[in-house]
Order: sequence, then C-alpha cells, then structure tokens
Amino acid sequence: QLQLQESGPGLVKPSETLSLTCTVSGFSITNSPNNWGWIRQPPGKGLEWIGSFYYSGGAHYNPSLKSRVTISVDTSKNQFSLKLTSVTAADTAVYYCASPNPQQWVSGEPFDYWGQGTLVTVSS
Amino acid sequence: EIVLTQSPGTLSLSPGERATLSCRASQSVSSSYLAWYQHKPGQAPRLLIYGASSRATGISDRFSGSGSGTDFTLTINRLEPEDFAVYYCQLYGNSPRYTFGQGTKLEIK
Repeated sequence: QLQLQESGPGLVKPSETLSLTCTVSGFSITNSPNNWGWIRQPPGKGLEWIGSFYYSGGAHYNPSLKSRVTISVDTSKNQFSLKLTSVTAADTAVYYCASPNPQQWVSGEPFDYWGQGTLVTVSS
Repeated sequence: EIVLTQSPGTLSLSPGERATLSCRASQSVSSSYLAWYQHKPGQAPRLLIYGASSRATGISDRFSGSGSGTDFTLTINRLEPEDFAVYYCQLYGNSPRYTFGQGTKLEIK
C-alpha cells in the first residue's frame, strides 16, 4: 500500500525558500510511469496543482508558479521534494504531496494517494 | 488554458436527498481526463470519480459521475451525514497538467 508523508518547516520568512519533502513508502519512486505531485490549498481557497515529477520524464510545473518552483527526487531515500523560492504571504497554504495509483495506470492520472498535508505559514 | 467552473458554489441539502453538482469546462475536453474529489476539513482530498464516470476503489455506488464535452455532473444519491464536504472537479491537460475547479461546498440544510 502506497503511503505519502510530508515534512518540513511550518514557518517560512517572506522572500525565503519554502522546502518540503514527501517520503514515499510501499512503492519505489523510480517506477514508471508514475508521477509524484504537489498540490496546495491556501486558507479559505481551493486546491491548486503546483507541479509533478515523472522519474522517466522530468518535471511539469504550473505556469503560474513555474519561475519559482523546483521538484526533485532523492532515489536513495525514496523521497521527492518541493522548493518554492521568494515566498510571500500568498504562499501560505496546506501543502499536499500526492500520486496516482502506481499499480493501476489510469488515463488522466488522477491523484489517488495523498499525504495528510502540512501547513506552511509565510510570516516574519 | 482551460478553466473549470463549478456550480453551485454552495449546495444546502438534507440527509437522504440527492445532490447534483456541476462542472463546466471553458472548452471541450476528453471525458477520460475529468475527475472528482471529496475534501473534508483537516483531511486529504479523496478521489471519487475518474474518467468522468468510473468510481475509484472503495467509493460507494451512491456516487456517480456523468457528462461529456464541456458539461460534467457528480451525483450523490441518498445523502449521508459523512457526504457533507467540499467537492472539486479536476482536469488533466497539457499546460497546466492539472486544473481544479473552485469547488462546491455541500452543506447540511
């Protein structure tokens, strides 16, 4: 059973870099064609896809965040990470890592597995 | 960029009733790429429907999805107390790869 767990600082200062890690258990992060994604939800707002990493195909980012986002993987730890630079209060949100079902590829690659989410607050 | 518009913004119903939630795309999309999620406060979103009409593993048959082109519907029959939540439609595309609607809040009347 695939499990995802986010970790990282809960408080980041404005203009600094937000860094989060998602630890994957129950499945190898190197298995294709799965993608490993980050989604966020600002307080009182809806869900926003940040980006996804395909081990065999690189990263895809939301154009609205592309200039500030990097998603990478650490295969030795079976983790993938999010870095968001130059953060402002607008980046305050609950951040989720998520993945489609790696054992049943489905057209449209819906996110079937999610971490529990971690709140990141941007404040001085 | 394709925009997903959900309606209504808030739907007030009683347990036992039927809920009908709408998701409209700004241009025609493949139904294979349309999904629905349920999101409760303090929890991770849960995949309900993929491919517009296929239920995800473990999802009650009270939940059904339909639609094609630009108009998609999530129907929840015989509402139970645990169904009251926010529901999002989501599209898989090119750029951005994933787009969410703004959500419909289903609340107890």
